[in-house]
Amino acid sequence: QKEVEQNSGPLSVPEGAIASLNCTYSDRVSQSFFWYRQYSGKSPELIMSIYSNGDKEDGRFTAQLNKASQYVSLLIRDSQPSDSATYLCAVNGNNRLAFGKGNQVVVIP
Amino acid sequence: NAGVTQTPKFHILKTGQSMTLQCAQDMNHGYLSWYRQDPGMGLRRIHYSVAAGITDKGEVPDGYNVSRSNTEDFPLRLESAAPSQTSVYFCASRQTDEQYFGPGTRLTVT
Repeated sequence: QKEVEQNSGPLSVPEGAIASLNCTYSDRVSQSFFWYRQYSGKSPELIMSIYSNGDKEDGRFTAQLNKASQYVSLLIRDSQPSDSATYLCAVNGNNRLAFGKGNQVVVIP
Repeated sequence: NAGVTQTPKFHILKTGQSMTLQCAQDMNHGYLSWYRQDPGMGLRRIHYSVAAGITDKGEVPDGYNVSRSNTEDFPLRLESAAPSQTSVYFCASRQTDEQYFGPGTRLTVT
């Protein structure tokens, strides 16, 4: 089983809709979870961190964590064309950050 | 604060040549890492350092060397470049959990 798995994309959403991204991880002792956004040709940019079960909201972004089921998700509300990017899930276990391969999101105007 | 800086932005190298990718951070972070990113492979860690004077291997260290003489700088050296080292290289720094990436170096080995 891969350490961090993201369902294959790309995900196309109309402007104004909700984009939903999921990520599962294998290491049960993982304690911290992150979402990065990466525009084409640019470096990953940290957009959300979540450490405890439940939801965490920041603007149009909501991260959800369920440690029992070992998944973390990201919702993007009111999707904008500027949200078109690849989103990377990262999980910190044993002081090492493991990354998923990413999900491409395309917001269609 | 500039955060994490990397030079050069782009470089073309011939097989067998050597070069050093530079990474510097001004956030007084202890933990620095080098990653490479290849299509379909995601981000893979090459080497990392938890403090000045301490370095360790990541998942894909072969063909690369690092050193950490101070807190700010963490250069990555390719001693004898191979076409398989064509990639985008990112340096990243963190103090606690949150990690921040530099802008990257796109390296082509011909």
